[in-house]
Amino acid sequence: AQSVTQPDIHITVSEGASLELRCNYSYGATPYLFWYVQSPGQGLQLLLKYFSGDTLVQGIKGFEAEFKRSQSSFNLRKPSVHWSDAAEYFCAVGNSGGYQKVTFGTGTKLQVIP
Amino acid sequence: DAGVTQSPTHLIKTRGQQVTLRCSPKSGHDTVSWYQQALGQGPQFIFQYYEEEERQRGNFPDRFSGHQFPNYSSELNVNALLLGDSALYLCASSFVQGGTNYGYTFGSGTRLTVV
Repeated sequence: AQSVTQPDIHITVSEGASLELRCNYSYGATPYLFWYVQSPGQGLQLLLKYFSGDTLVQGIKGFEAEFKRSQSSFNLRKPSVHWSDAAEYFCAVGNSGGYQKVTFGTGTKLQVIP
Repeated sequence: DAGVTQSPTHLIKTRGQQVTLRCSPKSGHDTVSWYQQALGQGPQFIFQYYEEEERQRGNFPDRFSGHQFPNYSSELNVNALLLGDSALYLCASSFVQGGTNYGYTFGSGTRLTVV
């Protein structure tokens, strides 16, 4: 069964500082990997996704993530955090193929301080 | 281009009642998946519909059922509501091309409160 672990429940960073959110996945084959962001009371917005190819993936809002098969990781990074980045971030893994079930982690809540 | 539309946005139901939630997928999408997100948790997969059939199901009881219509819109029905069913219910649509699913677009969700 596929699963995702986000070890950090809550992270606080200063505005302008760099950010890295950790994600480890478990899946038997090549996974489909996603990062979503959720503002309070809202749905999820896709930041970026990895299906194949270049292991460094660029997303929206200046985010990037790197797929490391040897570490089963897909960490999310941003070089300089803005106050508007405060939200909850979810890493997710999907099985390959058409009828895709996507499994989410428990999320990391990001707080940005001045 | 309209994204995923869910209705209603909020509703309150009494324990034991039944509820129907609705979802219209993004234009061009043919697959609809439903997720339950309890407060402070990640979304949990309920089931997925494609070509009007349930294709995959998560670990949810039979009280949770669904339907997909020929226009790809979908309904989620929950019978005999329990207090624990209180959650944000998210609909996600996607499309499959050449055997590859190109990722979900989520709606803003329906906040269900069971009292």
